[in-house]
Amino acid sequence: DIQMTQSPSSLSASVGDRVTITCRASQGIGNYLVWYQQKPGKVPKLLMYAASTLQSGVPSRFSGSGSGTDFTLTISSLQPEDVATYYCQKSNGASWTFGQGTKVEIK
Amino acid sequence: EVQLVESGGALVQPGGSLRLSCAASGFTFSSYAMHWVRQAPGKGLEYVSAISSNGGSTYYANSVKGRFTISRDNSKNTLYLQMGGLRAEDMAVYYCARHWVGHCSGTSCYGGLDFWGQGTLVTVSS
Repeated sequence: DIQMTQSPSSLSASVGDRVTITCRASQGIGNYLVWYQQKPGKVPKLLMYAASTLQSGVPSRFSGSGSGTDFTLTISSLQPEDVATYYCQKSNGASWTFGQGTKVEIK
Repeated sequence: EVQLVESGGALVQPGGSLRLSCAASGFTFSSYAMHWVRQAPGKGLEYVSAISSNGGSTYYANSVKGRFTISRDNSKNTLYLQMGGLRAEDMAVYYCARHWVGHCSGTSCYGGLDFWGQGTLVTVSS
């Protein structure tokens, strides 16, 4: 099975900082990569699919890139409402595996 | 308004069985593949199972293969997860989620899980 590994596991940044989260697949997955945001006590929210396509209604400060095995989620200017855990997920094949999550906090 | 409402979570002994349901409304249920995802207390998301729109294809994580069965009744707009041989490590909140396709390029279609239920808690303990 393809494994998805995110880094870092957690990060703390200041409001306005640029934040980057990395997701690595153990084998190539093209651009079948999805990002979710889960705020404390809430259900996950779809942020991005096809590695870099922003879901409708998601702020433009979020962006995604990558293909194959290496992907990134970038928040261009961190806002207080972005405090959440972010998950990547491969979206092809028989098993849609998630990464372990990256918890983003405000410094 | 799209709604997914899970039910059936309970306290069950190790080795026991349970059937979860997910009632869907606000969209054409029979047009969408559906997924089950779980989250153990304080832990990350874990893919469990998925089923195609007509129920003809099913998929399972290795951790549940042979113990869990996903099914759906499109006439009742309901998704199910039959769980057997339950273990302590199956204890989690179980979410159902809709598989949405954003766009297709040739034979490649891209999307994600765009609507999630609020989840139902399965506790496995003696």
